[in-house]
Amino acid sequence: NAGVTQTPKFQVLKTGQSMTLQCAQDMNHEYMSWYRQDPGMGLRLIHYSVGAGITDQGEVPNGYNVSRSTTEDFPLRLLSAAPSQTSVYFCASSDGQFWGELFFGEGSRLTVL
Amino acid sequence: DQQVKQNSPSLSVQEGRISILNCDYTNSMFDYFLWYKKYPAEGPTFLISISSIKDKNEDGRFTVFLNKSAKHLSLHIVPSQPGDSAVYFCAAKGSNYKLTFGKGTLLTVNP
Repeated sequence: NAGVTQTPKFQVLKTGQSMTLQCAQDMNHEYMSWYRQDPGMGLRLIHYSVGAGITDQGEVPNGYNVSRSTTEDFPLRLLSAAPSQTSVYFCASSDGQFWGELFFGEGSRLTVL
Repeated sequence: DQQVKQNSPSLSVQEGRISILNCDYTNSMFDYFLWYKKYPAEGPTFLISISSIKDKNEDGRFTVFLNKSAKHLSLHIVPSQPGDSAVYFCAAKGSNYKLTFGKGTLLTVNP
């Protein structure tokens, strides 16, 4: 039972490079979201999706793009990485009935030099 | 403007005693509250929740209390165990699909 799978777990980028953080869930959850965790800042919502083809911005969306072409996948794209995007990123999903009870992935640690 | 506040960055308790973690919120439109637990190098895991129409919810050693008039909720862990040592996040849901988290409280349970 995989749950929510994030790849890669670790990544180092140079300023200006682009990359995609992958997120996949096998629980047929409609709701998926991306958070970032920074020291002393808790978890902040970047983008979320309530179903395939539907995405919306969270609290800190600037510098990130998302798409939701399937129920299972919700990739997060950094088009031009900046040092301020150094963080730990978490993908989460939930059932539509109890969407607040999120299932999180193990996280992806990104460092931008 | 921080809508969910956990004012204690850390808490230390002895094994077997009660741990009380606090959370305050400012948005009266929040209708559902949750607690998550996070170990280092892992993703957060859901612990317990409470609807705004209730004032208490209990699950084993964990109890969440909600005081709507004070816009305050608390998580009680009784008895505390060393394995409970983790960061605890309070979260709140409003009328949209956004879950707002507090900054977390690091709980250390000493043997």
